Amino acid sequence: AQTVTQSQPEMSVQEAETVTLSCTYDTSESDYYLFWYKQPPSRQMILVIRQEAYKQQNATENRFSVNFQKAAKSFSLKISDSQLGDAAMYFCAYKGNDMRFGAGTRLTVKP
Amino acid sequence: DVKVTQSSRYLVKRTGEKVFLECVQDMDHENMFWYRQDPGLGLRLIYFSYDVKMKEKGDIPEGYSVSREKKERFSLILESASTNQTSMYLCASSLLSAPQGETQYFGPGTRLLVL
Repeated sequence: AQTVTQSQPEMSVQEAETVTLSCTYDTSESDYYLFWYKQPPSRQMILVIRQEAYKQQNATENRFSVNFQKAAKSFSLKISDSQLGDAAMYFCAYKGNDMRFGAGTRLTVKP
Repeated sequence: DVKVTQSSRYLVKRTGEKVFLECVQDMDHENMFWYRQDPGLGLRLIYFSYDVKMKEKGDIPEGYSVSREKKERFSLILESASTNQTSMYLCASSLLSAPQGETQYFGPGTRLLVL
């Protein structure tokens, strides 16, 4: 079965700085999607960014970008110019035949 | 915007009670999902549904059942609540057709406490 590993339970970043959240996954499938979801405190989980495995180009959404290394099965999220509103739990997710989520990384942003 | 709503934000129940958690989406999505979220474990899939009256077991279906009588509504049922079912429950929906269908839209969650 596919697994998703987020090795950083907690991360901290200074406002306006850059932070990278790590995610690795294990799969034998060739066609799949990868996601980063954000869950702010007491608020709804929302999609941050998605990546199709067949696309070599890394996805970018404003201040959020990914480093997708298919051979290494790595999918890290980079947040540039961090803002106080970026503080949240971040979940890495995999969608192939099954949907899998990592355990999450709690990001704190220091003013 | 896609809207997914859940009937309760907080719920307190007694052991042995039958519990109903309701989820409604307003974007005509075919797929609907129920997850439970626990610290250190992330989200784990309980059940999902690709169509009305259709259901599939996820990774942890034991102690749960579901009902989908209408496309927009997906209910999670705890037949006899137990303390180990104390958790946050998240509902999600998505379109069937790829690639947009791969993105899930989540409800606000129901925090259930079983005493």
